[in-house]
Amino acid sequence: RKEVEQDPGPFNVPEGATVAFNCTYSNSASQSFFWYRQDCRKEPKLLMSVYSSGNEDGRFTAQLNRASQYISLLIRDSKLSDSATYLCVVYTNAGKSTFGDGTTLTVKP
Amino acid sequence: DVKVTQSSRYLVKRTGEKVFLECVQDMDHENMFWYRQDPGLGLRLIYFSYDVKMKEKGDIPEGYSVSREKKERFSLILESASTNQTSMYLCASSLRTGGSEQYFGPGTRLTVT
Repeated sequence: RKEVEQDPGPFNVPEGATVAFNCTYSNSASQSFFWYRQDCRKEPKLLMSVYSSGNEDGRFTAQLNRASQYISLLIRDSKLSDSATYLCVVYTNAGKSTFGDGTTLTVKP
Repeated sequence: DVKVTQSSRYLVKRTGEKVFLECVQDMDHENMFWYRQDPGLGLRLIYFSYDVKMKEKGDIPEGYSVSREKKERFSLILESASTNQTSMYLCASSLRTGGSEQYFGPGTRLTVT
């Protein structure tokens, strides 16, 4: 079993749709969690951090469920420009980072 | 502005060659990372370093070594390149240990023939 697993893609949604991705992790000692966005042939870039209390940034909401060991990303009112691969990353307290394989989102007109 | 640079965007090497991939960051970050990214396998951590001359193995260190002689520079070394090391290599840095934003370089597409 992988340490970090993401919903298999691809997700194909129309503009304006709401879409949610999940990411589960197996190490209960994991400390920090983030979502990254990676455009085709580009490097990953931070989308948002994930806090126990939840985190909202405009149309994007990230949540952490420690009891069930997963994080989620919700995108409301999808735009064409949201098309990308979304990667979750989990850190242990030793500083080791593990990325999920990514979920590909395509938003269609 | 944050910047991580990698020495080459594209590199072609022959099997058995020694390969050096260089990464430099200008943000005075403590931590640096090397990943490889392959279709269907995602980003996999090869090595990371949380201080000068310190290194820790990631998930797939076999066939690789690293060097961090200066804070701003982290090198990945393939002692004897093999075709299964053909991949996209990404370097990243972050401010502190324990989880903080990683800034990635543009990547090096290495092909081993």
